[in-house]
Amino acid sequence: GNSVTQMEGPVTLSEEAFLTINCTYTATGYPSLFWYVQYPGEGLQLLLKATKADDKGSNKGFEATYRKETTSFHLEKGSVQVSDSAVYFCALSDQTGANNLFFGTGTRLTVIP
Amino acid sequence: DAGVIQSPRHEVTEMGQEVTLRCKPISGHDYLFWYRQTMMRGLELLIYFNNNVPIDDSGMPEDRFSAKMPNASFSTLKIQPSEPRDSAVYFCASSLQRGGQTGELFFGEGSRLTVL
Repeated sequence: GNSVTQMEGPVTLSEEAFLTINCTYTATGYPSLFWYVQYPGEGLQLLLKATKADDKGSNKGFEATYRKETTSFHLEKGSVQVSDSAVYFCALSDQTGANNLFFGTGTRLTVIP
Repeated sequence: DAGVIQSPRHEVTEMGQEVTLRCKPISGHDYLFWYRQTMMRGLELLIYFNNNVPIDDSGMPEDRFSAKMPNASFSTLKIQPSEPRDSAVYFCASSLQRGGQTGELFFGEGSRLTVL
């Protein structure tokens, strides 16, 4: 079946620190992979995605590379800002043909000045 | 586009009352999803529709929950009777599938339900 495992939070970092949030997945076939971000009081919004092995998704300084050999899609940012404080969700696409996503449990990031 | 619109943003009700949550998807999107978010269980898919037809409702907790999509621009999620354990944030999302690729899900701001 399909599943996503994210590193447990919460994560607290100082401003300008390096960020890694680990995500591994289990899937049949070749899913697309996503990172969504949820800011306080808002719905989730797409941060980046990758649709095939070795693709790198990037947006707003965040990056993640689709690693088929390690079934991973770790999120990284070189220098975090206070405004990056949010909950981050890793997700993969349903491979049965349905237009659905399987989400991880989310990782809360707090960046302190 | 205005994005996915949900109402109400906040609802406080008493146990046993009926609750109706509403969603207007982005125009032209052919998929609509209802999710529930709690601290304990995270983000759970309840049901989703394709072209107004329910495709998978296996996530609906029990018969107290029902969802409808009478047309392409409106969906409701109803809980009757409501219970305190239904307290959660309910999200609606819509997407447009292109060429077999899973499209980006666009989420509404959520409806925060508190059942006393």
